[in-house]
Amino acid sequence: GDSVTQMEGPVTLSEEAFLTINCTYTATGYPSLFWYVQYPGEGLQLLLKATKADDKGSNKGFEATYRKETTSFHLEKGSVQVSDSAVYFCARNDYKLSFGAGTTVTVRA
Amino acid sequence: GAGVSQSPSNKVTEKGKDVELRCDPISGHTALYWYRQSLGQGLEFLIYFQGNSAPDKSGLPSDRFSAERTGGSVSTLTIQRTQQEDSAVYLCASSPPDREYGYTFGSGTRLTVV
Repeated sequence: GDSVTQMEGPVTLSEEAFLTINCTYTATGYPSLFWYVQYPGEGLQLLLKATKADDKGSNKGFEATYRKETTSFHLEKGSVQVSDSAVYFCARNDYKLSFGAGTTVTVRA
Repeated sequence: GAGVSQSPSNKVTEKGKDVELRCDPISGHTALYWYRQSLGQGLEFLIYFQGNSAPDKSGLPSDRFSAERTGGSVSTLTIQRTQQEDSAVYLCASSPPDREYGYTFGSGTRLTVV
């Protein structure tokens, strides 16, 4: 069936390092794609989205590009901060959101 | 309201009891979703409402789980005869008719069955 596959964590890196979290999806058609973030002790927040092929979503220094040819929506940030420590979820939307398993990211000072 | 409101925020219940979880979506959001997040697990879809009807309830784990939505607004998720494996955070989300804007999630109800 349709699914979202995320790179497994946990990921630990130092401040100012480059972060990539891979996400691929299988789906019929071209669903909207999202990245959600869950900071410690908080609820899920929408981080960024892309609604069609080649769209680039961006927010808080994070970026992800909707790649139709590779069915991917990888999340990147060029220089992470301690405050970016969180769980990141990739999601695909047809009429409901289907989530990847989540990737825990810890940034050390 | 300004956001999706869920109550209670925490619930501890004894095994075998029934519980009701409430979700108040953002005003004007026609779609409402329930998800479950278990410790160490991802986000599991439970049920989806469009208005007051539930076109997709395929994620409800068993017939002990039911949900309703009234007036196109408030939704209640009911778990009967709770079991320990029901312990999880239950999340509600709502979205406007154009779901490309994404969903807004509530803070969740943490259910602990003892």
